[in-house]
Amino acid sequence: ILNVEQSPQSLHVQEGDSTNFTCSFPSSNFYALHWYRWETAKSPEALFVMTLNGDEKKKGRISATLNTKEGYSYLYIKGSQPEDSATYLCAFLPYTGGFKTIFGAGTRLFVKA
Amino acid sequence: NAGVMQNPRHLVRRRGQEARLRCSPMKGHSHVYWYRQLPEEGLKFMVYLQKENIIDESGMPKERFSAEFPKEGPSILRIQQVVRGDSAAYFCASSQTDPLSGKSSTDTQYFGPGTRLTVL
Repeated sequence: ILNVEQSPQSLHVQEGDSTNFTCSFPSSNFYALHWYRWETAKSPEALFVMTLNGDEKKKGRISATLNTKEGYSYLYIKGSQPEDSATYLCAFLPYTGGFKTIFGAGTRLFVKA
Repeated sequence: NAGVMQNPRHLVRRRGQEARLRCSPMKGHSHVYWYRQLPEEGLKFMVYLQKENIIDESGMPKERFSAEFPKEGPSILRIQQVVRGDSAAYFCASSQTDPLSGKSSTDTQYFGPGTRLTVL
């Protein structure tokens, strides 16, 4: 059974704080890892697609790293803003199995002004 | 370029009726995924389709559920004889084809707005 774990489940920070979350996935059978941002009442919005061990991606104040050998990815948000409040999902794509996508349960971020 | 379209956005059915959910992928996308989000739970993979082919339906219940993605027209997720436990948000996503491998690209899956199914 392929399992994707995200921690923490939720996080409350103050505006201006920097924060990070973890996504753990099976280190074998790796094809790709996606990060999504999901605001309430909207659809998930893609942040990053990561495919290579050691990948680092950045988009504004948000960045992500990937370690496929040990099976984890970190998402970092620098200087959190209230508009960053959302659920951040990671999704693991295994190499075999028709590219079934396995989502983690998400990290719910609350940024207080 | 229109995004992924889903309709209806909200669907109410009585127990025993059929529910048909439609998904039109982004232009140029030939891969469609269906996901279900049960109340208080995360997104769960149901089925992955290419045009006229079901590639992986391992996440879809064996009974009452079916999916198709015809050559022309939207992808359809069909739930027969709905029960209260089918009440959920159903999302579809689409992606492009990797021109080299012919497989779903590692590029982003673009999500539709979802259909919220309520079974009375």
